[in-house]
Amino acid sequence: EAQVTQNPRYLITVTGKKLTVTCSQNMNHEYMSWYRQDPGLGLRQIYYSMNVEVTDKGDVPEGYKVSRKEKRNFPLILESPSPNQTSLYFCASSLGFQEMDTGELFFGEGSRLTVL
Amino acid sequence: AQKVTQAQTEISVVEKEDVTLDCVYETRDTTYYLFWYKQPPSGELVFLIRRNSFDEQNEISGRYSWNFQKSTSSFNFTITASQVVDSAVYFCALRNDYKLSFGAGTTVTVRA
Repeated sequence: EAQVTQNPRYLITVTGKKLTVTCSQNMNHEYMSWYRQDPGLGLRQIYYSMNVEVTDKGDVPEGYKVSRKEKRNFPLILESPSPNQTSLYFCASSLGFQEMDTGELFFGEGSRLTVL
Repeated sequence: AQKVTQAQTEISVVEKEDVTLDCVYETRDTTYYLFWYKQPPSGELVFLIRRNSFDEQNEISGRYSWNFQKSTSSFNFTITASQVVDSAVYFCALRNDYKLSFGAGTTVTVRA
């Protein structure tokens, strides 16, 4: 089954304790991206990756890191989480942009993170 | 810079009423995609429709229909004969190159 898998789905942590949210897709997609969802703000793009070893900042990258060492995985790293990073996080993937006709994003189920 | 505006924060209707969700976008690009996603109370994002900037045909899928007008930079979504299961947050989104920008979302509540 084609899917984007995020882990953990729920996490409560404390300020400053490094954490990683994993994202994996089994569709051989080139493009992957992370978003955070906050009330009244919709979803905002954190980072995206066009392919292995190619990443770039989205609209709200501060406080986050990513890496893309393999095509299927795109982990989101919070080196020193703060309470303002409490949010619902979504990972997404799609085929590359070389062919613009393939624009659909496949989303993971979301990871709800609380930083105390 | 690109931007998506969903001016309606919340809409509440009685079952079987029609509901139209507005979406206005801004972009300098000539090639882009517009999307609508649904987020039910369970939280996942459900893809509803994709439309590219060169295709202004309106589309109907069951009780859902979409009206894309480049002249007004709008991509509105109508649910006909709404049902309680339509209660959700609906997001409009704009994608060009590698950026995907979402509107703030419209919460639709359908009362029985």
